[in-house]
Amino acid sequence: AQKVTQAQTEISVVEKEDVTLDCVYETRDTTYYLFWYKQPPSGELVFLIRRNSFDEQNEISGRYSWNFQKSTSSFNFTITASQVVDSAVYFCALSEAGSNYQLIWGAGTKLIIKP
Amino acid sequence: DSGVTQTPKHLITATGQRVTLRCSPRSGDLSVYWYQQSLDQGLQFLIQYYNGEERAKGNILERFSAQQFPDLHSELNLSSLELGDSALYFCASSTPTGAGETQYFGPGTRLLVL
Repeated sequence: AQKVTQAQTEISVVEKEDVTLDCVYETRDTTYYLFWYKQPPSGELVFLIRRNSFDEQNEISGRYSWNFQKSTSSFNFTITASQVVDSAVYFCALSEAGSNYQLIWGAGTKLIIKP
Repeated sequence: DSGVTQTPKHLITATGQRVTLRCSPRSGDLSVYWYQQSLDQGLQFLIQYYNGEERAKGNILERFSAQQFPDLHSELNLSSLELGDSALYFCASSTPTGAGETQYFGPGTRLLVL
């Protein structure tokens, strides 16, 4: 069965440190999509990135970077030089044809950035 | 701002009651999804509509129903409410591009059942 695991429940770092959030997924589909969303304390879900299973290129957007490795079924998210505003819950999600492309969510990782 | 709107933002009601949550998708989006976020179950997919038709169903209780109207807004109806229905309900919308489209989320409706 399809599944998304975010083993880190909570991470706390001091501002300016780099931090990596782990995401491991399981799927039988050859075509699938992976996402990261951010949920700040205000509660909304903010889209960060979408990756399809055929594109293993890493992506960098400012201080954010994502490492997609099919060999280990992982899609990890790194924040470089973290800032207090990065404090939020981060969710990894999977979407696949076999599930009509509904989002299957990880449990989320709560990131606390201390000043 | 994702462009998806949800009303109301907060709702407090009593057990046994019925409520309606409303969602307006982003301009041009034909798909609407409903998700429930609760402390014990996390984020769960409830149901999806595409251009007025139900497309997929997830862990949606029989007491819950939804529809998408010709103007593409959607409503989620929750009836015979129980304490355990207290949760954050999100609506998301996407542009049909074939598969695995990015879903953009509204701000959510926080439901508290007392």
